[in-house]
Amino acid sequence: SQQGEEDPQALSIQEGENATMNCSYKTSINNLQWYRQNSGRGLVHLILIRSNEREKHSGRLRVTLDTSKKSSSLLITASRAADTASYFCATDANLNRDDKIIFGKGTRLHILP
Amino acid sequence: KAGVTQTPRYLIKTRGQQVTLSCSPISGHRSVSWYQQTPGQGLQFLFEYFSETQRNKGNFPGRFSGRQFSNSRSEMNVSTLELGDSALYLCASSLVPGAVYEQYFGPGTRLTVT
Repeated sequence: SQQGEEDPQALSIQEGENATMNCSYKTSINNLQWYRQNSGRGLVHLILIRSNEREKHSGRLRVTLDTSKKSSSLLITASRAADTASYFCATDANLNRDDKIIFGKGTRLHILP
Repeated sequence: KAGVTQTPRYLIKTRGQQVTLSCSPISGHRSVSWYQQTPGQGLQFLFEYFSETQRNKGNFPGRFSGRQFSNSRSEMNVSTLELGDSALYLCASSLVPGAVYEQYFGPGTRLTVT
């Protein structure tokens, strides 16, 4: 089963609005990362947040982490057409002592002009 | 610094054939991971290599294999291709294994099995 589950699966908003995506995970983690993928291309790293951090900012991006709820959110403020992409959270799932990185299925974000 | 490169970018194969995909990591990166991405299953972890050793493996059949060379370049091989192997195969490199640092992804190899 997926370690990370993004919600919603798809999101369409008007340009200029804020977009919020959520990620829930099942096991304890050391780090959580958010990535962006433009259609059919490789992933681009956005932000890494460690388990002892609660919030992190990078430009128009704000990530929060709630380890008690095993969830994270990614907020994109003042969205632009170029933000249209799929967004994935990735965790280092401590499953069977392996620390392989597990990705969720992603949120497809579409920014309407 | 050059990014992660993957070759070939596109590939069409027939069921039953085998295929080898190549990944060159960012200079200095010693960890290489492979992922399979399909619309239905999303991004699934295949395996990770570090210092020429397979460090982690996902839940894929033995038809999927890989290796890493001394220069950190990696290859993955899929034998006896099935239609369901059609996917985007992504390679990612990082300084060290695990999620301590971010991974840098290549553009992917789009494999179509007919």
